[in-house]
Amino acid sequence: DGGITQSPKYLFRKEGQNVTLSCEQNLNHDAMYWYRQDPGQGLRLIYYSQIVNDFQKGDIAEGYSVSREKKESFPLTVTSAQKNPTAFYLCASSAGAGGTDTQYFGPGTRLTVL
Amino acid sequence: GQQVMQIPQYQHVQEGEDFTTYCNSSTTLSNIQWYKQRPGGHPVFLIQLVKSGEVKKQKRLTFQFGEAKKNSSLHITATQTTDVGTYFCAKYSGGGADGLTFGKGTHLIIQP
Repeated sequence: DGGITQSPKYLFRKEGQNVTLSCEQNLNHDAMYWYRQDPGQGLRLIYYSQIVNDFQKGDIAEGYSVSREKKESFPLTVTSAQKNPTAFYLCASSAGAGGTDTQYFGPGTRLTVL
Repeated sequence: GQQVMQIPQYQHVQEGEDFTTYCNSSTTLSNIQWYKQRPGGHPVFLIQLVKSGEVKKQKRLTFQFGEAKKNSSLHITATQTTDVGTYFCAKYSGGGADGLTFGKGTHLIIQP
């Protein structure tokens, strides 16, 4: 799995609660990414970070927040403002911040909001 | 970001038949990447194409980048049950690291 871990694999939360998804990598990669996958939708970019202490919004950032305090870690918080949070969340990393770098994905977290 | 369109969305084949998925963009691409996601799994990088007209092969898989760098294809010869999964093309918009924009994928279903 390329040295990227995500936990937990399955997560259940009640509507209205914030929840934080973990993503850790030991690849010494500078760039990290969060994607959301829904059936038939492919993957959509939520947030990305090119370097520690910096991150940028992706295509669907509303209702999500991130932090990048350490190179190895890029946690994603799904807030109560996210209207449809049930989805498969994938974290990825790449060595550099250039446009040709391969992305390595973690195993994902399936979030179900009840 | 700008979309990449992938067709078909689903493809059923008999084991041993060939399979092709196509990826199209309305804008010129700096490069294109292909990923495979097994059922219940996560995307795994297959290959990257950079040059106009480039063709790369990995055993039974052939990847092609169009001359105008606006389309790409993945062809699998003589499919096997291990080829089951969803194949995604993905692009960077160019000009910086803003993550990948993925196509919606082609789901390959193989009937033994």
